[in-house]
Amino acid sequence: QQQVKQSPQSLIVQKGGISIINCAYENTAFDYFPWYQQFPGKGPALLIAIRPDVSEKKEGRFTISFNKSAKQFSLHIMDSQPGDSATYFCAASYYGQNFVFGPGTRLSVLP
Amino acid sequence: ETGVTQSPTHLIKTRGQQVTLRCSSQSGHNTVSWYQQALGQGPQFIFQYYREEENGRGNFPPRFSGLQFPNYSSELNVNALELDDSALYLCASSLEGQRGYHEQYFGPGTRLTVT
Repeated sequence: QQQVKQSPQSLIVQKGGISIINCAYENTAFDYFPWYQQFPGKGPALLIAIRPDVSEKKEGRFTISFNKSAKQFSLHIMDSQPGDSATYFCAASYYGQNFVFGPGTRLSVLP
Repeated sequence: ETGVTQSPTHLIKTRGQQVTLRCSSQSGHNTVSWYQQALGQGPQFIFQYYREEENGRGNFPPRFSGLQFPNYSSELNVNALELDDSALYLCASSLEGQRGYHEQYFGPGTRLTVT
């Protein structure tokens, strides 16, 4: 019940395309769903986050879509750029504790 | 940069030894969480400290222990090191006490190699 599943494991997108990464969870007590971006040799950087009382949140080129009934959420990166090439992690937590991370998606954006 | 710093950057230890990793949280943050990230995997939650008290723990044995100091900096101690403890150890700070405010900011990590 504590697991967060993430797909795909890796993703290759052309510059200007849309990158979509999906996550699913089981624990309905989760109340906070962030996405992190990690470059090699660096710690994860908070990208965008959503709470279950909204279905979508957009910040610049990044959008989270949230489906509470399906217990799924996804990250959309519009107009993907080579600089977006990194590993992306979804995560979930309840009341700011015990964050559970997905296994990660390695995104490569081709120039 | 998040303002979260960790030391040392890299560390090599021998199986059975003990190690202490340090973290300075972002200014104004009162909560520190520690994670273990094995190569090619997502971070695994070890434990969280809020106002110097342990505030949650993941599925890690007691030989993983921690401290948080009055200035909210923190230490992670690992005793009796095993080869599988080789990983990137990440510290994340956040400001808790307000419901719904859980944004965590990670440091660059400490790469621990156990031989």
